Amino acid sequence: KAGVTQTPRYLIKTRGQQVTLSCSPISGHRSVSWYQQTPGQGLQFLFEYFSETQRNKGNFPGRFSGRQFSNSRSEMNVSTLELGDSALYLCASSSRQGASYEQYFGPGTRLTVT
Amino acid sequence: AQSVTQLDSQVPVFEEAPVELRCNYSSSVSVYLFWYVQYPNQGLQLLLKYLSGSTLVESINGFEAEFNKSQTSFHLRKPSVHISDTAEYFCAVSPSGGSNYKLTFGKGTLLTVNP
Repeated sequence: KAGVTQTPRYLIKTRGQQVTLSCSPISGHRSVSWYQQTPGQGLQFLFEYFSETQRNKGNFPGRFSGRQFSNSRSEMNVSTLELGDSALYLCASSSRQGASYEQYFGPGTRLTVT
Repeated sequence: AQSVTQLDSQVPVFEEAPVELRCNYSSSVSVYLFWYVQYPNQGLQLLLKYLSGSTLVESINGFEAEFNKSQTSFHLRKPSVHISDTAEYFCAVSPSGGSNYKLTFGKGTLLTVNP
């Protein structure tokens, strides 16, 4: 099985712009979670989507939003970018079946805001 | 709410020496516990997990972790490390049961194995 893929891998944006990141989960997985990783704050949960519905949300401002499509692919959007949004954005997929609770991570998208 | 504390931000060791990476957690509900490893410029890889049953869990590459409920700890150990084990290790928890799959991570421990 192919793993979790994220595009693009690297991105440079300017303050005030918006950005969209994409995540394709492992085939058959219907849950996609997003995490932000920074040197200062570490790994923080953004939100989770399952069957096109947001199931959980972390403590991030409304500038951070996401969606999931019927094929389970997910996108994350950040509007009005700030310097502090520079981070590695990781997505993780899970089957959400049985007692697995395992999440498989993609390689991440490194976003730099200048 | 859950929180995870990894007591050491950096652990340098020599090759073939034993190592222990410490992890303590706090939670008002029962949790599942995980260790993830991150190599440079890569995503996270699941190393091992504790969901239920035996409190000692092992990975295929020689790591083991023991769940201690009374001490709310899940320390990671390896009896003999290799250069290739150099990476950052993250301890994480998620609420057990239910529909909340949110992972709460510690700040990470950078393990550096020197020759």
